[in-house]
Amino acid sequence: DVVMTQSPLSLPVTLGQPASISCRSSQTLVYSDGNTYLNWFQQRPGQSPRRLIYQVSNRDSGVPDRFSGSGSGTDFTLTISRVEAEDVGVYYCMQGTHWPGTFGQGTKVEIK
Amino acid sequence: EVQLVESGGGLVEPGRSLRLSCTGSGFTFGAQSISWFRQAPGKGLEWVGYIASKIYVETEQYVASVKGRFSFSRDDSEGIAYLQMNNLKTEDTGVYYCARNVWQPDSWGQGTLVTVSS
Repeated sequence: DVVMTQSPLSLPVTLGQPASISCRSSQTLVYSDGNTYLNWFQQRPGQSPRRLIYQVSNRDSGVPDRFSGSGSGTDFTLTISRVEAEDVGVYYCMQGTHWPGTFGQGTKVEIK
Repeated sequence: EVQLVESGGGLVEPGRSLRLSCTGSGFTFGAQSISWFRQAPGKGLEWVGYIASKIYVETEQYVASVKGRFSFSRDDSEGIAYLQMNNLKTEDTGVYYCARNVWQPDSWGQGTLVTVSS
């Protein structure tokens, strides 16, 4: 299985400041169709996961533009340009290129 | 609005069976593949598998830890997908989610808790 490694696992941030989460895969995530199936999910406390980003950098409808995704191949990043209180939760990267799809360990974002 | 609602969770003894349901609305259910995920208490997310839309190909895939014990089915006329879980083990305990799509699951349900304990 493809191993997804996130860092850091805990991310205390100051309101209004930027935050970045790294996600690295053990194999390239470029599929034979040329697409890269790398997703980012947010899971707020007590809630189900919500997809924020798909195919590396495409933001889902309704997701604030302070969230952005970047990267290629095996290295990916989720960036929050200015953290707000509602961004508290755990963030997961997930690859859907190789079966079975696999998740990173999760990064817990909290306010300092 | 796209919505998925899981049901059927509960407390069950090891070795017993349970069937979960995932009811979809707000989209053409039969045209979409449905994925199942789970999350053990305090842990991360794990993909259980998926059942593809019959429009494309009737395919199911399972992760190794549940293969031979779990099975998927769907009733597109009712907009419901099922997860049949047999020979349950304590390590199957967790919240089970269904989601639309396979490689980039978009809409998720609220989850249903399965507790396997004697």
